[in-house]
Amino acid sequence: DAGITQSPRHKVTETGTPVTLRCHQTENHRYMYWYRQDPGHGLRLIHYSYGVKDTDKGEVSDGYSVSRSKTEDFLLTLESATSSQTSVYFCAIRQWDYGYTFGSGTRLTVV
Amino acid sequence: AQSVTQLGSHVSVSEGALVLLRCNYSSSVPPYLFWYVQYPNQGLQLLLKYTSAATLVKGINGFEAEFKKSETSFHLTKPSAHMSDAAEYFCAVSDRDAGNNRKLIWGLGTSLAVNP
Repeated sequence: DAGITQSPRHKVTETGTPVTLRCHQTENHRYMYWYRQDPGHGLRLIHYSYGVKDTDKGEVSDGYSVSRSKTEDFLLTLESATSSQTSVYFCAIRQWDYGYTFGSGTRLTVV
Repeated sequence: AQSVTQLGSHVSVSEGALVLLRCNYSSSVPPYLFWYVQYPNQGLQLLLKYTSAATLVKGINGFEAEFKKSETSFHLTKPSAHMSDAAEYFCAVSDRDAGNNRKLIWGLGTSLAVNP
């Protein structure tokens, strides 16, 4: 399996503060994704990247930005965290057969 | 655009009973189809995948799924449920966006409970 790690695993932050989540992969995959998972909503795509500095919006991108300055790192930033962004965030990379490998997730609580 | 429907957000079976989790997709072209499992407080992991080879696909932990084009279905089954199968199961289909980039379209998930 491709190595994919997310950091931090847990974070509590205050409303209005910026937050950055990191996704790191070790196998040079081109496509990377950020999802949020909430009860009753399944997985919702926030942003994805198809190469260094190539990113695009997903279905729930408002309030989020991403950056990919090198292949192995895909950063998700909440510009000004709100309580509605309390969620579990997953990063994923796309394999050659179009399936995904997921990180272990980041549990973010905005208070 | 493609879509995925998982029938039944919650399924409960007895230990040793048949597990059947339903997934239907909409697609006008042969799809790539996937089932993922998520155990509590963990990420998703691949159970099995259909990528236009054999229509009956075997996965990990005794699960299998059959691709039925005429029914646009990809139902997940396991002959005998085990307590350790209790988890959330997600069906997904691969689609292309407006930029011709492939990404997965997800069902909302089915929570499987296994009763002793």
